[in-house]
Amino acid sequence: DVKVTQSSRYLVKRTGEKVFLECVQDMDHENMFWYRQDPGLGLRLIYFSYDVKMKEKGDIPEGYSVSREKKERFSLILESASTNQTSMYLCASSEIRLVSYEQYFGPGTRLTVT
Amino acid sequence: DQQVKQNSPSLSVQEGRISILNCDYTNSMFDYFLWYKKYPAEGPTFLISISSIKDKNEDGRFTVFLNKSAKHLSLHIVPSQPGDSAVYFCAAWKAAGNKLTFGGGTRVLVKP
Repeated sequence: DVKVTQSSRYLVKRTGEKVFLECVQDMDHENMFWYRQDPGLGLRLIYFSYDVKMKEKGDIPEGYSVSREKKERFSLILESASTNQTSMYLCASSEIRLVSYEQYFGPGTRLTVT
Repeated sequence: DQQVKQNSPSLSVQEGRISILNCDYTNSMFDYFLWYKKYPAEGPTFLISISSIKDKNEDGRFTVFLNKSAKHLSLHIVPSQPGDSAVYFCAAWKAAGNKLTFGGGTRVLVKP
């Protein structure tokens, strides 16, 4: 059974704190993604990675960075958390194929920044 | 500027009836259109897809229709079951870039 796990289900942080969100997949997938989900806006892509140490900006990368040191692990970093980063964060992975629209998602981390 | 839009945030339907979810897009360069389903406290899961060169794809109770001239797709669920109650996201995929673009979601409630 394919699995994507995220380190925390709920997280509360203060403004200005550095925040790490961890994601691990056990499917040996090359591609990994970080999204945030907000009401009415759906899922918006923050960053993605198609290989170890490789990263690409998504649609809303400002205020975020990522790290991929191992194939199975993809971390999202908020350098200095702000209240507008309060959101549900979803990690996903997919394999490299000619048609690779199917992504496998983790359960999400609900982050609140106060 | 949202390239994929779901204009109905919610939908309520009686068990056994048809659920119709709608989605509009602006970019003609998408290669596939998909629907993902999300239950509370879980990540979205892939439900059904359609190639941009097709106009219909059916999988059991789920059928997706694509109208390229109108830049519109819809998901039909027939018959609707209480277990179908979830948030449904329309998404579009381009091979160039390998990215999914999601709509805002439609919350479906199927009443027994």
